[in-house]
Amino acid sequence: QQQVKQSPQSLIVQKGGISIINCAYENTAFDYFPWYQQFPGKGPALLIAIRPDVSEKKEGRFTISFNKSAKQFSLHIMDSQPGDSATYFCAASMDSNYQLIWGAGTKLIIKP
Amino acid sequence: DTGVSQDPRHKITKRGQNVTFRCDPISEHNRLYWYRQTLGQGPEFLTYFQNEAQLEKSRLLSDRFSAERPKGSFSTLEIQRTEQGDSAMYLCASSWGRGHYEQYFGPGTRLTVT
Repeated sequence: QQQVKQSPQSLIVQKGGISIINCAYENTAFDYFPWYQQFPGKGPALLIAIRPDVSEKKEGRFTISFNKSAKQFSLHIMDSQPGDSATYFCAASMDSNYQLIWGAGTKLIIKP
Repeated sequence: DTGVSQDPRHKITKRGQNVTFRCDPISEHNRLYWYRQTLGQGPEFLTYFQNEAQLEKSRLLSDRFSAERPKGSFSTLEIQRTEQGDSAMYLCASSWGRGHYEQYFGPGTRLTVT
């Protein structure tokens, strides 16, 4: 119940295209869902986060879509650029302890 | 630079030796977290502090691991009698407040146990 399942494991997208990464969770006590971007040898950097009281949140080229009934959420990167090539992690946490439970990551490659 | 800093960035040690890592959080942040990340995996929670109090420890944190945050500022993570399975990236994060405030991560300390 503590797991967050992320797919796909890897993704190749042409420059200018839309990158879509999906996550699913089981524990309905989760109430905070962030996405992180990580470059090799660096720590994760927070991109965008959502709470379950909204279905979508957009920040620049990054959008989170959230489906509470399906217990799924996804990250959309519009107009994907080579600089977006990185590993992306979804995560979830709950009000009781705030520890992040992470997905396994998606390695995104944007082809020029 | 006002981000989370970690020291050292890389540590190579022989099996059986003790190692200590340091994390300096963003200055106004009262919460500090330690995670461990192995290659190709997402980070795994180890422990977290609110101010100087260690509020939760993962079962991953065996008795060889100890963490402190004296005076609620910087934190140290010590691993005693290191094993090859301890080889990983050790990440520190900090956040402010009592709720789901954003966790900001440091660059990590890469530990290699030979």
